[in-house]
This record gives sequence, C-alpha cells and structure tokens, in this order.
Amino acid sequence: KAGVTQTPRYLIKTRGQQVTLSCSPISGHRSVSWYQQTPGQGLQFLFEYFSETQRNKGNFPGRFSGRQFSNSRSEMNVSTLELGDSALYLCASSLVRAGREPNFEAFFGQGTRLTVV
Amino acid sequence: AQTVTQSQPEMSVQEAETVTLSCTYDTSESDYYLFWYKQPPSRQMILVIRQEAYKQQNATENRFSVNFQKAAKSFSLKISDSQLGDAAMYFCAYRSAYDYKLSFGAGTTVTVRA
Repeated sequence: KAGVTQTPRYLIKTRGQQVTLSCSPISGHRSVSWYQQTPGQGLQFLFEYFSETQRNKGNFPGRFSGRQFSNSRSEMNVSTLELGDSALYLCASSLVRAGREPNFEAFFGQGTRLTVV
Repeated sequence: AQTVTQSQPEMSVQEAETVTLSCTYDTSESDYYLFWYKQPPSRQMILVIRQEAYKQQNATENRFSVNFQKAAKSFSLKISDSQLGDAAMYFCAYRSAYDYKLSFGAGTTVTVRA
C-alpha cells in the first residue's frame, strides 16, 4: 500500500510569490491534515480536511489556505510568501469511519521543504 | 487549548542501555489519545506507540513502552535495549477523541552511543 505522498519534496521561492503544495493520502484515508515544522516554533497544526470540508484550523494567517478534492487529495497554498514561511510542511492522512472518532493513527508524508529567499 | 511539554531537549544513551523521555500535557478533556512519534534525519514521522486515555494499562510495542499517569498528566517513553537506529528526534503528541488535530511537544533528540 502506497504511503502518503507529498510533492514537491523541495521548493525555493522568492518573497511575495505564492506556492502550492500537494498531498496524496493513503488510499481510503479521508482525513488530511497539514503541519508546519520550524526550528523555532516546532510542529504546528495548520488545518484538517475531511470530505472536501475544512473541519479544523490552526492559528495561521489567511495567507495559508487549503482544499481537498473528491479523491481526498489535498493542496495547501501560501500566498505573499514571507521569509518566516520557510519550513518543512508535513501532511498526514487518517482513516475515518462513522460514529465516534477512532484512535486511528496519522500517517505522515516525507514533507515538502520550502525555502523562501 | 492543549499544551504538550517535553522538558528534555537532548538525551544520550549507550547502545543496549535504557533511556526514558518525559512528557507532560495539559487538558481539560477526559477522552483523548497520546502518541510518541519518531522523526529520523529523513524527516519521515513514524508512530512509535499510542495510548488511549481510557485504558489504564500502559502500552508496549517491542522495546518501547510508556508510563501513563493520567492524574499527573504525564506520559513518558522508555526505550529499552537502545539501538543505533533509535537515534532520532522524538515527539510526544496529544489528540482529542473528537478531532484529528495533533498537538506536539518541542521534541527530544536522542543520541545513541556505540
């Protein structure tokens, strides 16, 4: 079974530009979450999508947005890039079933390393 | 909001010895899950072990075990018979039973000496 796939793996952008990162979850996984990892702030939750709807959002400015498609693939977009947006962006997918949320683990991709210059 | 605290930035252990990583968390919820994730230099986050808050029995996965103290809101990870491949950053994480957001601690870097 293929794991979580994030593309691209590395990206260099200039301040002011925008960027789109992609995440393909494990087949059958319907929940996709995004995290930002930096040396200073650690791992911070960006947002979570399920069935094309954003269910939860972290404390990030509106420049950070995302979406999920009908096949559960997700994209996140960062507009007007700032130097501080340089980070490793991790995507995680989880299996979801009806009823009480189970404790299914989150499977992570290898991340996209974004460098803003 | 839930906060997760890992007070040990770095830990060093001799190969074949045991090391314990500490983690405390703050929550007002009674139903939640706790995890330890390992992040090696490849940056791939790998689940090491998980604990359901409603279970009193401590979780164990091969050489990895936890000491879950719900009243004290403490969740430590013990790595027994440490191996060179255990060298990585370890993150403690909290998740409510009602959503999929993970709250992470700052991480502990584990170095294994040959």
